[in-house]
Amino acid sequence: EDQVTQSPEALRLQEGESSSLNCSYTVSGLRGLFWYRQDPGKGPEFLFTLYSAGEEKEKERLKATLTKKESFLHITAPKPEDSATYLCAVQASGKNDMRFGAGTRLTVKP
Amino acid sequence: EADIYQTPRYLVIGTGKKITLECSQTMGHDKMYWYQQDPGMELHLIHYSYGVNSTEKGDLSSESTVSRIRTEHFPLTLESARPSHTSQYLCASSDIRYGYTFGSGTRLTVV
Repeated sequence: EDQVTQSPEALRLQEGESSSLNCSYTVSGLRGLFWYRQDPGKGPEFLFTLYSAGEEKEKERLKATLTKKESFLHITAPKPEDSATYLCAVQASGKNDMRFGAGTRLTVKP
Repeated sequence: EADIYQTPRYLVIGTGKKITLECSQTMGHDKMYWYQQDPGMELHLIHYSYGVNSTEKGDLSSESTVSRIRTEHFPLTLESARPSHTSQYLCASSDIRYGYTFGSGTRLTVV
């Protein structure tokens, strides 16, 4: 069965303090790994799709990387507006739905 | 602007009532999904549809039903609401390149 585990559950950073969020996964053939940002009371917002080990994607202060077993979301010099829950999801080959992790709740203090 | 809309945003309803949560998208996506999300927990797939007149149940049995009569519309119905149905319900549609586009959700409270 496809599984996604995210760590840590919660992360508190000072503004400018870089860190990484982890997403470990097991899937029967990876079709794609997705990162989303979710603000309180809203639906998740798409950030990145990664398809194969070694791939990297960047957007502003965020950089996502992928290996055969896990993905990292690196946050460089975060700002308070980066505070949100970050969700990881995997889509297996031959399937159209996704398996989500429980998310990492990030708080960035000024 | 292409988007996905959910109504209502918030709903408080009594036990035993029938309710329908609305979801519409303007992107022309064939695939649509309903997820249930509790605080601090992962999203659980309730129902999905790959096109008009195509619906399937997901992993989570929530005693709900869906219909897909038009591409853009994918409503979720609870025939008899119970307190255990209290949760956030998220609708999404998908594009192969960009994953899911989610609506803002409906927060349901059954009293």
